Amino acid sequence: DAGVIQSPRHEVTEMGQEVTLRCKPISGHNSLFWYRQTMMRGLELLIYFNNNVPIDDSGMPEDRFSAKMPNASFSTLKIQPSEPRDSAVYFCASSRGTVETQYFGPGTRLLVL
Amino acid sequence: GESVGLHLPTLSVQEGDNSIINCAYSNSASDYFIWYKQESGKGPQFIIDIRSNMDKRQGQRVTVLLNKTVKHLSLQIAATQPGDSAVYFCAENTGGGNKLTFGTGTQLKVEL
Repeated sequence: DAGVIQSPRHEVTEMGQEVTLRCKPISGHNSLFWYRQTMMRGLELLIYFNNNVPIDDSGMPEDRFSAKMPNASFSTLKIQPSEPRDSAVYFCASSRGTVETQYFGPGTRLLVL
Repeated sequence: GESVGLHLPTLSVQEGDNSIINCAYSNSASDYFIWYKQESGKGPQFIIDIRSNMDKRQGQRVTVLLNKTVKHLSLQIAATQPGDSAVYFCAENTGGGNKLTFGTGTQLKVEL
């Protein structure tokens, strides 16, 4: 079975540019999560969706960050404009339902110069 | 300048010994707990989970113990192998949804 798929795996961009990260959850999972991991702050939940609807976006740092889930098999996390402090590893995870195990993708390593 | 990051506690064990990784959680209402393993350059990988109506659960070479009285969770790895070297995170679901809160992690180093 394919796990959570993320693209790109690595992204290097310049400050001010738009960055779009993509995620395909595990088929049949109806919850999707976006996390950010840094050395300073560890693993932080940014936003999560249930049945394609955003439920909790309290972890989204600021208006520069936005996330969408147009259908059950695809989600995007967009940063516009990007800043050097956004450099981190961004993980997508999915789960089958409420209070269930979350399965993580391989992550996107973002470097903003 | 010098970078400052999270200070991960480190557990060093000899190959073949048993490892015990501990985690204190904060919310007495938490009803679901998960242990994840993260190897360098990879995403967190599910190891084992336990619900609050249990106090012990066993998997292959791993055991999770839950003590709700003192809000403590532990992961025991039997016969630790070099491939077990990684950062281990505990996570708790505080109820009312899918949100997991992750601990800061413990670095496990297996010495040959």
